[in-house]
Amino acid sequence: SQQGEEDPQALSIQEGENATMNCSYKTSINNLQWYRQNSGRGLVHLILIRSNEREKHSGRLRVTLDTSKKSSSLLITASRAADTASYFCATAHGYALNFGKGTSLLVTP
Amino acid sequence: NAGVTQTPKFRVLKTGQSMTLLCAQDMNHEYMYWYRQDPGMGLRLIHYSVGEGTTAKGEVPDGYNVSRLKKQNFLLGLESAAPSQTSVYFCASNPGLSTDTQYFGPGTRLTVL
Repeated sequence: SQQGEEDPQALSIQEGENATMNCSYKTSINNLQWYRQNSGRGLVHLILIRSNEREKHSGRLRVTLDTSKKSSSLLITASRAADTASYFCATAHGYALNFGKGTSLLVTP
Repeated sequence: NAGVTQTPKFRVLKTGQSMTLLCAQDMNHEYMYWYRQDPGMGLRLIHYSVGEGTTAKGEVPDGYNVSRLKKQNFLLGLESAAPSQTSVYFCASNPGLSTDTQYFGPGTRLTVL
């Protein structure tokens, strides 16, 4: 079952602005991952945060995890047109990843 | 190092036809996965494998079969295609830690008429 749910479903911003998308999940997890999918392409792993971590950075990406609220957020700072894509959170437990339905981000010049 | 490759990229089938999708990885990964992606549904796990010769059912296994005869290959079969199997199919692999990063192929777009 799809455990992660991203919010908002769609987000439109201008270049240079920050983009924030959220993910909520239902059960305990080992880790939570964020992936990006450009139109018509496969998913690309962005960042993984473990259940005992609260915040993680990678370049212009900042991910937070609140296990008490069962939620995570992905912040992309100083967005670029090339960041236009769909972003998915995936919760890990057992052998599988459960993906949410994604947030579609549009960054306009 | 090609990563994860999928064959074919596109395919159109008629209802009742059969086909096999091939996934190959050259990273010596233990775990491999087949997902389907439908509009507004995200990715759903069809079958997965935790090693050569092993397979297991995921969330939506009905109508599909898989085989992992060689470590680098994971085949997804449709014995009798149905329009409901129209989708984009993605293969993924990871090194062997079951909850580690997954590496995805470019996808196969399948249409069943």
